[in-house]
Amino acid sequence: QKEVEQDPGPLSVPEGAIVSLNCTYSNSAFQYFMWYRQYSRKGPELLMYTYSSGNKEDGRFTAQVDKSSKYISLFIRDSQPSDSATYLCAMSVRGGSYIPTFGRGTSLIVHP
Amino acid sequence: SQTIHQWPATLVQPVGSPLSLECTVEGTSNPNLYWYRQAAGRGLQLLFYSVGIGQISSEVPQNLSASRPQDRQFILSSKKLLLSDSGFYLCAWTWGTGELFFGEGSRLTVL
Repeated sequence: QKEVEQDPGPLSVPEGAIVSLNCTYSNSAFQYFMWYRQYSRKGPELLMYTYSSGNKEDGRFTAQVDKSSKYISLFIRDSQPSDSATYLCAMSVRGGSYIPTFGRGTSLIVHP
Repeated sequence: SQTIHQWPATLVQPVGSPLSLECTVEGTSNPNLYWYRQAAGRGLQLLFYSVGIGQISSEVPQNLSASRPQDRQFILSSKKLLLSDSGFYLCAWTWGTGELFFGEGSRLTVL
């Protein structure tokens, strides 16, 4: 079992839909949780960063962490074609070199 | 504000030729620095990381090497490229809080 599991997709949704992207993990020591957005042929861009259970909202994006279930989610409201990208989850333990463990990414396609 | 620069953006190299990719971070001091490779459909593979000048840790044995000659400079090198070295190389940095900030990437094609 991989430390971080993420469905690669592709996930195709119509414009305006609510998108749910998910990752599960097995290492209970993970304390920092991140979501990155990566457009084709570009570097990943940090979208959301959280270190606690519960929800964190930023505009149309909501990150949710459930440590008891070892499950994190990213919700995108009112999705736009410009949201079409690959979304990677990442998580790391506290201390040391802070090397995050990444999911393989989910490809999202929002069609007009 | 902090910025990260990575170059060259694209390069095509013959098998057996040397490689040098450079990465520079501005606006911060003593960052942790990372080199990743991303192969198509395979996710991010950590190659090297550095917590200080001259301190390099290798995650995957291969014909690549890394150096950190200055606090905010990270260099990825190879003496002789292999076909399997083709890929998208990403430099990243962090303050040490777990969140990484990536450069725009360097796409390497080895022919």
